[in-house]
Amino acid sequence: AQTVTQSQPEMSVQEAETVTLSCTYDTSESDYYLFWYKQPPSRQMILVIRQEAYKQQNATENRFSVNFQKAAKSFSLKISDSQLGDAAMYFCAQETSGSRLTFGEGTQLTVNP
Amino acid sequence: NAGVTQTPKFQVLKTGQSMTLQCAQDMNHEYMSWYRQDPGMGLRLIHYSVGAGITDQGEVPNGYNVSRSTTEDFPLRLLSAAPSQTSVYFCASSETQQGAYGYTFGSGTRLTVV
Repeated sequence: AQTVTQSQPEMSVQEAETVTLSCTYDTSESDYYLFWYKQPPSRQMILVIRQEAYKQQNATENRFSVNFQKAAKSFSLKISDSQLGDAAMYFCAQETSGSRLTFGEGTQLTVNP
Repeated sequence: NAGVTQTPKFQVLKTGQSMTLQCAQDMNHEYMSWYRQDPGMGLRLIHYSVGAGITDQGEVPNGYNVSRSTTEDFPLRLLSAAPSQTSVYFCASSETQQGAYGYTFGSGTRLTVV
C-alpha cells in the first residue's frame, strides 16, 4: 500500500521569510505524480504544485518550489517570501494508478505578520 | 465553468438514515473519486471511477455505495448512516489517468451523523 507521511503537524513562518514543509512517501511504482495541495479555511482544495517522478528537474510555480529526491522518496515544499494568504493546511499527495490519490496527514501553516 | 459541484454543503443525519451526496462535473473528465477528510488523517479514498459504468473501492469503502451512469455524475450513497461517517466529503475529477493536469476538487460536504 502507498503511504505518504508529513512529519510536521504545524509550522509557522514570519511574513516575507521562507519555510519548507516536509513530505516522504513510499511506493513501488517507477512513474507517478506528486502533488502539494493547499486547503484554506474555506475548505477548498487548491493545487499548489505537481511533480512527475521521471523528471529530474524540480518543479517551480512562482514563490513555490519543491525539492524532489526520488531515491530518498522525499518531496518537500518551499514557500519563499511568505504572505499572509499562504496560511492554510497543506497536504502532500501521491497519485497511484487509476487516478487515485494517497494523502499525508497535513501540515498547518501559520504566517505571522 | 462550474468545475466540480457538490451538494449539499452541509447535512445532519440521524443514525440509520440514508442519503446521497451529489457530485457533478462539466469538464468531461473520465476519472472521478470520493474522499473523506477526518482530523489528523488527511483525505482517504472511498470509491473511484475510471469511466461511466466502471467503479471500484478505495481505502475506506464500507458503508458507502457508488454508481457512474454518466460521465458527468458520480453520486455517493450512505445506506444506513453511522456516527463514524461524520466527516467532510470531497469529490474530485481528473482529465487523464496520470493526473498530468492535476485534480479538481469540489467544495466539500460537511456531514454530521447524530
